[in-house]
Amino acid sequence: QSVLTQPPSVSGAPGQRVTISCTGSSSNIGAGHDVHWYQQLPGTAPKLLIYGNSNRPSGVPDRFSGSKSVTSASLAITGLQAEDEADYYCQSYDSSLSDFVIFGGGTKLTVL
Amino acid sequence: QLQLQESGPGLVKPSETLSLTCTVSGGSLTTSSYYWGWIRQPPGKGLEWIGYIYYSGNTYYNPSLRSRVTISVDTSKNQFSLKLSFVTAADTAVYYCARRGGIVRPDFDYWGQGTLVTVSS
Repeated sequence: QSVLTQPPSVSGAPGQRVTISCTGSSSNIGAGHDVHWYQQLPGTAPKLLIYGNSNRPSGVPDRFSGSKSVTSASLAITGLQAEDEADYYCQSYDSSLSDFVIFGGGTKLTVL
Repeated sequence: QLQLQESGPGLVKPSETLSLTCTVSGGSLTTSSYYWGWIRQPPGKGLEWIGYIYYSGNTYYNPSLRSRVTISVDTSKNQFSLKLSFVTAADTAVYYCARRGGIVRPDFDYWGQGTLVTVSS
């Protein structure tokens, strides 16, 4: 069981908007640790999608956005495209684990 | 452009030691503020952080794997390595090496392509 909780799957039609949640606790996201998001296309390595809660690395389309609330974070994808079909993981740190790395369980995005 | 490449045996016997190396090109392991780490993914499952190392040799390990993990660095070869001892079938996974930024950017911004390690007799 992951320390960060993500829905196992989400889906949406092309052009729609979807969101993926990442729920933590007072010892990780709620303790002020930033959340980062990764996209893993089938058969490939994870790729950094969002860092520091809401920042996009160079080359990531602005259709992808991130936000953070008290003990949770969200990834939003607008204008859904077929190539967005992938697994998405959130990542943070946990103060109860000596500030070590934690990942969410991952969310499979299906483009209908 | 920074590139990371994992290498090592794809098959390891139970109770033996898994050994992998990550070769970094297009940049230096000794660049300050960066950590060099390992993350694994069992088939069909999610990501699990194993640990990382700073070029000075300071290491940080997942508490659940700490007793079996050693990460080391060879700055002369621009490589860092993973050793996982007493492996079982549960250690079968794709192993990724990745770069983690410092305090300001503690995300994993560069990843290797990954290498599948199967534990089987």
